[in-house]
Amino acid sequence: GDSVTQMEGPVTLSEEAFLTINCTYTATGYPSLFWYVQYPGEGLQLLLKATKADDKGSNKGFEATYRKETTSFHLEKGSVQVSDSAVYFCALSDQMDSNYQLIWGAGTKLIIKP
Amino acid sequence: ETGVTQTPRHLVMGMTNKKSLKCEQHLGHNAMYWYKQSAKKPLELMFVYSLEERVENNSVPSRFSPECPNSSHLFLHLHTLQPEDSALYLCASSEAAGLPYEQYFGPGTRLTVT
Repeated sequence: GDSVTQMEGPVTLSEEAFLTINCTYTATGYPSLFWYVQYPGEGLQLLLKATKADDKGSNKGFEATYRKETTSFHLEKGSVQVSDSAVYFCALSDQMDSNYQLIWGAGTKLIIKP
Repeated sequence: ETGVTQTPRHLVMGMTNKKSLKCEQHLGHNAMYWYKQSAKKPLELMFVYSLEERVENNSVPSRFSPECPNSSHLFLHLHTLQPEDSALYLCASSEAAGLPYEQYFGPGTRLTVT
């Protein structure tokens, strides 16, 4: 079945550092890919998404490109802020295997120090 | 109220108790979901309701019993739980199930079983 693998956290960076959180996937069909973010004490919220190969999703300075050849959807940000501290989840949605239910990674905790 | 709300936010219960978690969405959505979030594990989808009908039940033990009286409300009835059921229970909603719509999450109920 489909699956999502994320780098283990926590990832600790200083403010204004460059961020990469790795995400790779396996899928039967042609999935849509998502990044969700969970701030402390809150539910998850969609950060960005991409629905086909080579699409780039972007929001709030974060970007991720759907790479079919490497089955990856890495999250990047050029200059992180303390307010970016949260848990980030990579997920996929694949009609072929899961009838569009979201398949989730385990989450990566990001800690940004001033 | 806007978005997806959940009550209570925190719940401590003994293994012989019966309690219920409540979720309400104010978004006019037709699909609602219960997830279990445990530390360092991917989100586990428990139940999916579409237009008040259960469309997915992912091998969840019978001590968890969902109820969806209308498209805005979702309950999770709990009885004779085990300590390993302690987790954050998240409710989500989307425009429809079975299509790659964005899911909107509530803040969750932190459940502790003693």
